[in-house]
Amino acid sequence: GENVEQHPSTLSVQEGDSAVIKCTYSDSASNYFPWYKQELGKRPQLIIDIRSNVGEKKDQRIAVTLNKTAKHFSLHITETQPEDSAVYFCAAGGSGGRGGKLIFGQGTELSVKP
Amino acid sequence: EAGVTQFPSHSVIEKGQTVTLRCDPISGHDNLYWYRRVMGKEIKFLLHFVKESKQDESGMPNNRFLAERTGGTYSTLKVQPAELEDSGVYFCASSQDGGYTFGSGTRLTVV
Repeated sequence: GENVEQHPSTLSVQEGDSAVIKCTYSDSASNYFPWYKQELGKRPQLIIDIRSNVGEKKDQRIAVTLNKTAKHFSLHITETQPEDSAVYFCAAGGSGGRGGKLIFGQGTELSVKP
Repeated sequence: EAGVTQFPSHSVIEKGQTVTLRCDPISGHDNLYWYRRVMGKEIKFLLHFVKESKQDESGMPNNRFLAERTGGTYSTLKVQPAELEDSGVYFCASSQDGGYTFGSGTRLTVV
């Protein structure tokens, strides 16, 4: 069935370093790939997304890359700050993000040490 | 614009009891989704409404779970009777033409 694998499950970095989280997906029909950040006790919040007609997208310190051939997509956070500490989820879905379910990865707990 | 609202935020019930969770989506959003996260695992899809119709309920674990969206506005998810493995955080999300907006979730604990 459809699934999304996310690695690593935990990631600890020093403030200022970069963090990379990787996901692979199984459904070749997927064309929408959002990333969510969930702080403790709060709702998952969309931080960046990419659609399959784009290979890379950047928003300040956050970037996402997509390799549709390999069914891989990755989240890159540069110059990490303690407030980046949270659980990050990748997801894959169809309909270009305009409807339909998302399949989530298992989550990565990122810890940024001052 | 008001966000997605879920009620209650926490619920502790005994095995065998019934619990009803409520989700108020963003006004005007036709798509409403229910998801669940069991401790330490991925956020798993339960079902998807388009307006009042169930578009996809492939993620519903069994017939103890019943979701409704009367009138295409708010939705309820009822668990009856609750089992220990139903414990987790239940998220609702809504969307229209853009990405999802999630609610804060209901933390359900079955003891």
